[in-house]
Amino acid sequence: NAGVTQTPKFQVLKTGQSMTLQCAQDMNHEYMSWYRQDPGMGLRLIHYSVGAGITDQGEVPNGYNVSRSTTEDFPLRLLSAAPSQTSVYFCASRTGFTYEQYFGPGTRLTVT
Amino acid sequence: KQEVTQIPAALSVPEGENLVLNCSFTDSAIYNLQWFRQDPGKGLTSLLLIQSSQREQTSGRLNASLDKSSGRSTLYIAASQPGDSATYLCAVRGGLTGGGNKLTFGTGTQLKVEL
Repeated sequence: NAGVTQTPKFQVLKTGQSMTLQCAQDMNHEYMSWYRQDPGMGLRLIHYSVGAGITDQGEVPNGYNVSRSTTEDFPLRLLSAAPSQTSVYFCASRTGFTYEQYFGPGTRLTVT
Repeated sequence: KQEVTQIPAALSVPEGENLVLNCSFTDSAIYNLQWFRQDPGKGLTSLLLIQSSQREQTSGRLNASLDKSSGRSTLYIAASQPGDSATYLCAVRGGLTGGGNKLTFGTGTQLKVEL
């Protein structure tokens, strides 16, 4: 199993540009989520999904959009990038029984 | 609102030393607690998962304990090695009812094991 994969690993955007961060998992997990990690603030939940076609907001959803058309994929869209969205973004999935969480390698995003 | 605190924020020890990392949480109504390791510029690797009904879990040189009533968990690392150098994160999952199924993270303990 590849586990949770994310692309790209690094990205630089200009303010106002849009982009999609890709996330995929091959563990057949129903639950997937997106976090951002900022120095001194820990990981914060952006959006999550409990299955294909179902998404909901987390702690810091503003400026981000998600959809879940398949069990495997959970892309995160930045609608109009702002410098405050400079961060490291992690996608995660979890098992449905033990609720153990697995993380992808992250995408380091810089918005200038 | 659940808050997770990890003390100390940074720790430097000589190789071979046994050490304890601490995690405390404010709401004891948890489903489970998970310890992660994060290497610089990398993702989070799951180390140990303790369900709320369990007291401890062990994996190799790692042992994690959970005292739910006092809101504390410890991660014990035996015979530390330079390869253990990383940031260790504690995360608490809330109860599954009332929308509390959320993972709350501490800000981590940055460990350096020196030769």
